[in-house]
Amino acid sequence: DAGVIQSPRHEVTEMGQEVTLRCKPISGHDYLFWYRQTMMRGLELLIYFNNNVPIDDSGMPEDRFSAKMPNASFSTLKIQPSEPRDSAVYFCASSYRQGLNEQFFGPGTRLTVL
Amino acid sequence: GDSVTQMEGPVTLSEEAFLTINCTYTATGYPSLFWYVQYPGEGLQLLLKATKADDKGSNKGFEATYRKETTSFHLEKGSVQVSDSAVYFCALESGGTSYGKLTFGQGTILTVHP
Repeated sequence: DAGVIQSPRHEVTEMGQEVTLRCKPISGHDYLFWYRQTMMRGLELLIYFNNNVPIDDSGMPEDRFSAKMPNASFSTLKIQPSEPRDSAVYFCASSYRQGLNEQFFGPGTRLTVL
Repeated sequence: GDSVTQMEGPVTLSEEAFLTINCTYTATGYPSLFWYVQYPGEGLQLLLKATKADDKGSNKGFEATYRKETTSFHLEKGSVQVSDSAVYFCALESGGTSYGKLTFGQGTILTVHP
């Protein structure tokens, strides 16, 4: 298996622009997680899905952030409008219920908002 | 709510030195405990885990024992290598309505010099 795939790997955009991050989980996994990592705040869980349904979005910072999972093999995290404080590395991870909770992380998307 | 506290970093050691990274937790019930490792430029990956009290997780020479009485899960390695330089995260999963959701500590940066 190719592992969790994220795109793009790097994104540089200007304040006010819309940003869309994409994730393809490992086939057969039924949980998908979105995290944000910064030096100041560490690793934060933004939202997670089970069987394509959002379970907990309490970590989403504000209404500018939204996430969707239209099917079992694809998810997006959208920021609109983006702000410089959104600059971070965003990770997607997936796991499956029978897998004793091991989460498999993607390589991350480094977002820079100018 | 659930929380994980790790020792402050960064930790700098010489090759072949003994490593301890302290981790304590607060959780309801009987959580599962994990150590994840993040190498430079990569996503997190599972290093080891323990699912009940007194269990010892081990992998790649690293060990950690689930101590319920002290609510701790300290990471140890007898002889570190330069290739162990990474960021180490302690995490817990408390199950129930939070099944699948990991709570991470802030991470500890380890640098090993030749």
